[in-house]
Amino acid sequence: GQSLEQPSEVTAVEGAIVQINCTYQTSGFYGLSWYQQHDGGAPTFLSYNALDGLEETGRFSSFLSRSDSYGYLLLQELQMKDSASYFCAVTYKNAGNMLTFGGGTRLMVKP
Amino acid sequence: DADVTQTPRNRITKTGKRIMLECSQTKGHDRMYWYRQDPGLGLQLIYYSFDVKDINKGEISDGYSVSRQAQAKFSLSLESAIPNQTALYFCATSDSRTYGDEQFFGPGTRLTVL
Repeated sequence: GQSLEQPSEVTAVEGAIVQINCTYQTSGFYGLSWYQQHDGGAPTFLSYNALDGLEETGRFSSFLSRSDSYGYLLLQELQMKDSASYFCAVTYKNAGNMLTFGGGTRLMVKP
Repeated sequence: DADVTQTPRNRITKTGKRIMLECSQTKGHDRMYWYRQDPGLGLQLIYYSFDVKDINKGEISDGYSVSRQAQAKFSLSLESAIPNQTALYFCATSDSRTYGDEQFFGPGTRLTVL
């Protein structure tokens, strides 16, 4: 089946930069999305990459390389409030336009 | 006011009981989804609907059914609840006209089946 791989946990200090990687099964898909979820909360959309390259939105950036079946979320100037789980997701063309989520990366930001 | 609402927010029930979870949205979106999330894991798609007359099974539809009563309402039913259906359930919506198909999630329903 379709699957996405992410590290389960990442720890970083306040003010630092962290990169969360996502690898996916090579097949036709429309784009790679990232969602943030705080403990007890609902997932919220962060970014979407349809084309290769870097998309920047404030402190967060997302990157996609279709040739490498790989993407990442880059968080800069980390703040304590960035402690959350981050999920990558793709819509595979042969899966009825369903969004498939990775297992999530739990980011812990320490002072 | 929340754009995507779910009721109830918490529910404890017993094995074999029929349960309905409801989702309403005021965003005017055509697409609606039901996901399940187990502790420490990602989201798994149960069912999705691209318009009122369109219902599709997701990855884990066994033991669940849905009804799209109107564009704004999408309900999830567990006909005979079992303990391994204990999970956090999210409803989500999206607009097919929007680039990237961003999904907007409700606050979730925490379901416990004893």
